[in-house]
Amino acid sequence: EADIYQTPRYLVIGTGKKITLECSQTMGHDKMYWYQQDPGMELHLIHYSYGVNSTEKGDLSSESTVSRIRTEHFPLTLESARPSHTSQYLCASSGQESQNTEAFFGQGTRLTVV
Amino acid sequence: GQNIDQPTEMTATEGAIVQINCTYQTSGFNGLFWYQQHAGEAPTFLSYNVLDGLEEKGRFSSFLSRSKGYSYLLLKELQMKDSASYLCAVKDSWGKLQFGAGTQVVVTP
Repeated sequence: EADIYQTPRYLVIGTGKKITLECSQTMGHDKMYWYQQDPGMELHLIHYSYGVNSTEKGDLSSESTVSRIRTEHFPLTLESARPSHTSQYLCASSGQESQNTEAFFGQGTRLTVV
Repeated sequence: GQNIDQPTEMTATEGAIVQINCTYQTSGFNGLFWYQQHAGEAPTFLSYNVLDGLEEKGRFSSFLSRSKGYSYLLLKELQMKDSASYLCAVKDSWGKLQFGAGTQVVVTP
């Protein structure tokens, strides 16, 4: 069983609020990812990290920001939430290519901005 | 960047075999993955190929040809619970993991 956790699972919040979605993994993985997925649609990579103090934007433009101060923690922040941010956000992590290298996913955060 | 293509939907009957194709173009290659995703749930890992050839895991097999930028996932002895979206994903040489749009497999009785 994968040891990667996201909180909260569900969040309903008003427009203009600042929110942080939490993601933590206890597997010591160096790579971590944030994906955005609307119902029935594809996964879009919005942020990824190769390790501590390393973050890159994905191919889908996002108004969110991320940080990677500790290996196990990769929070995603929206400074001012808007209804267009309503979506499911999935966090994943993977280890070194020399190991079993598949990405493990958290259960996701379903965000609704009203 | 990466470009990953797979069919949108496939329908098959219970007990049958279905093959889902995936073609990709990537800057650097460090493995191809197949995931299963049921509606409303997170993706779960099915298989991984980094060298050419066939990998078999029970009812699921995956094949890779790096020279052709091609992979397939073979699902045998289909069961109703196999109705799900199947995602092809490619990791580049830096470890960046990108997903295709997914193939919705519908299993009918």
